[in-house]
Amino acid sequence: SQQGEEDPQALSIQEGENATMNCSYKTSINNLQWYRQNSGRGLVHLILIRSNEREKHSGRLRVTLDTSKKSSSLLITASRAADTASYFCATDASGTASKLTFGTGTRLQVTL
Amino acid sequence: DAGVIQSPRHEVTEMGQEVTLRCKPISGHNSLFWYRQTMMRGLELLIYFNNNVPIDDSGMPEDRFSAKMPNASFSTLKIQPSEPRDSAVYFCASTTRGSEQFFGPGTRLTVL
Repeated sequence: SQQGEEDPQALSIQEGENATMNCSYKTSINNLQWYRQNSGRGLVHLILIRSNEREKHSGRLRVTLDTSKKSSSLLITASRAADTASYFCATDASGTASKLTFGTGTRLQVTL
Repeated sequence: DAGVIQSPRHEVTEMGQEVTLRCKPISGHNSLFWYRQTMMRGLELLIYFNNNVPIDDSGMPEDRFSAKMPNASFSTLKIQPSEPRDSAVYFCASTTRGSEQFFGPGTRLTVL
């Protein structure tokens, strides 16, 4: 079953705007990861945040983690048309990446 | 490195036929995962291997599905006999302990 639930399911914004996606999960985790999937392609890892971290940055990506609320958010700043994709959160309870549980995904559409 | 390699990329078969999907993980990765993705059920973990040994096959839907990893560089997922409800995109992913997963491009299976 999918532990992570992303919100919103779909998001449409204009190029240059910021996009925020949220993920909620149910059980304790070692880390949480975000992946991107372009249409018809495999998932690509974006960023990993550990349970003892609260915020992490990578280029135009900013991830936050609130373990008390069992939630995470992914912010993409100054979005581009190339950011159009589905975004998934995945939780890792063991810390070995041996069994990730993926959420349902957010479909992001960035228009010119 | 060429990344995770999957074959075939597309497979169309008739109900009742045997289907074999193939995966070559990234060299040096010791864990391999098979996922299935559908619109209705999202991304589901079917089975994963550590050091060529199946660790968790609880996601395998039924006995018609089987997976093997005879060596560190090759794995197969077999469906026999196939049914229309098996139509999906099947992904293989690999990882080293404690890091993110690397996904292949997927095999789009259509069972008529």
